[in-house]
Amino acid sequence: DAGVTQSPTHLIKTRGQQVTLRCSPKSGHDTVSWYQQALGQGPQFIFQYYEEEERQRGNFPDRFSGHQFPNYSSELNVNALLLGDSALYLCASSPRRGMVQETQYFGPGTRLLVL
Amino acid sequence: AQSVTQPDIHITVSEGASLELRCNYSYGATPYLFWYVQSPGQGLQLLLKYFSGDTLVQGIKGFEAEFKRSQSSFNLRKPSVHWSDAAEYFCAVGISGGYQKVTFGTGTKLQVIP
Repeated sequence: DAGVTQSPTHLIKTRGQQVTLRCSPKSGHDTVSWYQQALGQGPQFIFQYYEEEERQRGNFPDRFSGHQFPNYSSELNVNALLLGDSALYLCASSPRRGMVQETQYFGPGTRLLVL
Repeated sequence: AQSVTQPDIHITVSEGASLELRCNYSYGATPYLFWYVQSPGQGLQLLLKYFSGDTLVQGIKGFEAEFKRSQSSFNLRKPSVHWSDAAEYFCAVGISGGYQKVTFGTGTKLQVIP
């Protein structure tokens, strides 16, 4: 059983560009959350998707958007990239509607560098 | 809003020694508390979680944590550290009855020396 997979593993972009990161959840999971982990920091919650809708959002600007597909996979889009968007982006999936008591399984992340 | 403080940025212990990593949280009601471990190049892995009941929680890899409401703490412990435990450890808090909008601490990096 494959765990949570993310692509690409690394990405280099320049300021002002747009980027799309992809996540495939663990089999049987219906909820996907995205986190941003800056260097030396803990992960920060960006948003969560369930039933193809954004259900919760952290303190991130509208430049950050996402999508969930019928097969539960998800994309994170970031527009107008800033240097400060350089970080490790983590995807996490969980079963049963993503209630707080359910275990989140994290992918290895996508390392984004903005120059 | 909930918050988490991990006062130790970096800890070094000898292999075989005991370990305690500190975590303090801020949340008005009973929190949902988690400890995660992150090894280089790996995603986060859940070590243990506390929701209610027994305040001493057992986790994977021989870790345990104790919830102390009076001190707003949820410290992680291990009686004997192995070299493979070297990693970064994150404490996190979630809202009871809610979805997984979890707030993480800044992490404690554990170094294990022979």
